[in-house]
Amino acid sequence: EVQLLESGGGLVQPGGSLRLSCAATGFTFSTNAMTWVRQAPGKGLEWVSTFSGGGDNTYYADSVKGRFIVSRDNSKNIFYVQMNSLSAEDTAVYYCAKDDHDHGITDWGQGTLVTVSS
Amino acid sequence: SYDLSQPPSVSVSPGQTATITCSGHKLGDKYVCWYQQKPGQSPVLVIYKDLQRPSGIPERFSGSNSGNTATLTIGGTQAMDEADYYCQAWDINTVAFGGGTKLTVL
Repeated sequence: EVQLLESGGGLVQPGGSLRLSCAATGFTFSTNAMTWVRQAPGKGLEWVSTFSGGGDNTYYADSVKGRFIVSRDNSKNIFYVQMNSLSAEDTAVYYCAKDDHDHGITDWGQGTLVTVSS
Repeated sequence: SYDLSQPPSVSVSPGQTATITCSGHKLGDKYVCWYQQKPGQSPVLVIYKDLQRPSGIPERFSGSNSGNTATLTIGGTQAMDEADYYCQAWDINTVAFGGGTKLTVL
């Protein structure tokens, strides 16, 4: 059974930084693409970033490009997003997800809430 | 960026067919996925590659995609199907989500 467990969310001041982690189990992590999707309160889903499986390709939404960096530790089966220069617009629940590209985002974590506020 | 448009809301009576559309430029040239999200829960994949159902998704969920429009159809809609539905597609190394459609079963 695939399990994705996010951690690291919380309250951060505008301009601050935060790193989210996603611990993955139940599948071959190293060969699978991983994705972060966020959802602002009362709003829809917004894709944030994808890290390819079996390689080093990363892709970012324009809204986070240059501020967010995704990485992965295939030895520990952990997926990260480093979020810098945060603003109120980044306030959202952040979901970690297993991404099978054309086969869809097949598994989602429970989400972790990031609140950017002074 | 690639834009996907969905109607904000759709209403359907129990047992009837619900149709949710997703529009985008030449969307038929891409694969579309659909996700169901109930309040307080994480999204669930219900359709991938336009019309394929993941294991465990009821047969009443079906999809199609042609031209500029993809469609999610729920036949014999049940109260448990009331949720937000999102379409999604890949476009040149970016992922696009539609704005979401709130399906009300009443």
